[in-house]
Amino acid sequence: QSVLTQPPSVSGAPGQRVTISCTGSSSNIGAGYDVHWYQLLPGTAPKLLIYGNSNRPPGVPGRFSGSKSGTSASLAITGLQAEDEADYYCQSYDSSLVVFGGGTKLTVL
Amino acid sequence: EMELLESGGGLVQPGGSLRVSCAASGFTFSSHAMSWVRQAPGKGLEWVSSISGSGATTDYADSVKGRFTISRDNSKNTLYLQLNSLRAEDTAVYYCAKWYGPNSYKYGMDVWGQGTTVTVSS
Repeated sequence: QSVLTQPPSVSGAPGQRVTISCTGSSSNIGAGYDVHWYQLLPGTAPKLLIYGNSNRPPGVPGRFSGSKSGTSASLAITGLQAEDEADYYCQSYDSSLVVFGGGTKLTVL
Repeated sequence: EMELLESGGGLVQPGGSLRVSCAASGFTFSSHAMSWVRQAPGKGLEWVSSISGSGATTDYADSVKGRFTISRDNSKNTLYLQLNSLRAEDTAVYYCAKWYGPNSYKYGMDVWGQGTTVTVSS
């Protein structure tokens, strides 16, 4: 069981908007720790998509955005594209140790 | 270009040991904390261990504490993970990752290697 809870799967049609939730507790996200998001494309290494709750590293398209409120965080993807089909993971900290969510598989219909 | 290249994975028997390495290039290695993250077959990402830029501070997941040791040689720009008392459940792809921002764990891991596979089986 992961400390951070994500839906196992989400789906959307090309051009649509999807969101992926990441639910924690008062010992991690709710304690004020930042949330980061990673994308795992099949057969490739993880890629940092969002850091510090809502910031995009250089090169990440503006279609990806992040937010955080209370004990939860969300990743939103607008203008869904076929190449967005991947696994997405949130990451935060619990008692200062690194924790990941269980991951969400995004299917582009 | 910043790059991480893992090596040293392989097949090992339960109870055995292995050392995996991660060679870094394209950035000031000693200025960045590093971590090992693993992904077991069909499972999600699991944080394993972290080490500060100087090597003075280390952290471990409960699942590996007392069995795995993280270290680094800043003169060789290389990160290591010594895996002892290996179990079947340690079978995974092991990724090394660099933390974004100097001397900080605050901004996420922005550079990842391609991973090295460790298989624990008799």
